[in-house]
Amino acid sequence: DQQVKQNSPSLSVQEGRISILNCDYTNSMFDYFLWYKKYPAEGPTFLISISSIKDKNEDGRFTVFLNKSAKHLSLHIVPSQPGDSAVYFCAARTLTADKLIFGTGTRLQVFP
Amino acid sequence: DAGVIQSPRHEVTEMGQEVTLRCKPISGHNSLFWYRQTMMRGLELLIYFNNNVPIDDSGMPEDRFSAKMPNASFSTLKIQPSEPRDSAVYFCASSTLAGIYEQYFGPGTRLTVT
Repeated sequence: DQQVKQNSPSLSVQEGRISILNCDYTNSMFDYFLWYKKYPAEGPTFLISISSIKDKNEDGRFTVFLNKSAKHLSLHIVPSQPGDSAVYFCAARTLTADKLIFGTGTRLQVFP
Repeated sequence: DAGVIQSPRHEVTEMGQEVTLRCKPISGHNSLFWYRQTMMRGLELLIYFNNNVPIDDSGMPEDRFSAKMPNASFSTLKIQPSEPRDSAVYFCASSTLAGIYEQYFGPGTRLTVT
């Protein structure tokens, strides 16, 4: 039973356009959410995070939105660049646990 | 900083053999995590340590899997005996206790069991 779900295994976007990656979760006790990016043959790297007390966090071209009532978060990348092509993992944690629960990942391809 | 170091990068072994994966965390980090990545389940946490002490091993799939952290700069994940369904990429990650949610991952070990 996946507590963090990324239902789109892949996404293809043209350079310069917006990329929207989605993540759903089932555990209402999750209070902190993160996005990690992974290039081939490398480990995931931290990208951006958001606390459950916020509904939006922005860092340059990357913005994460959180909708607690829908148990849904999304990562927006605008404008998308070819270097953004990677696998993106959504992750979540509860206040009492020292561990992250990851989704299955979404492969983003940005084409010229 | 060298980052998290994992060895070997690739391992091919036959079913029934023992496999040992190694990890050196970033110096000064006191939390260490072992993950397994598969297409079906994404990144699964197998076990994690705080200050060399195992805290949660509920993700370890079977008794065939074991992990140790004898000191702050070294950890091993052992599979004995290995099975084809263990084939996956295994990642080690480390963090400070304060930054435990922003984990630093190693490059991974791709394990193939034939």
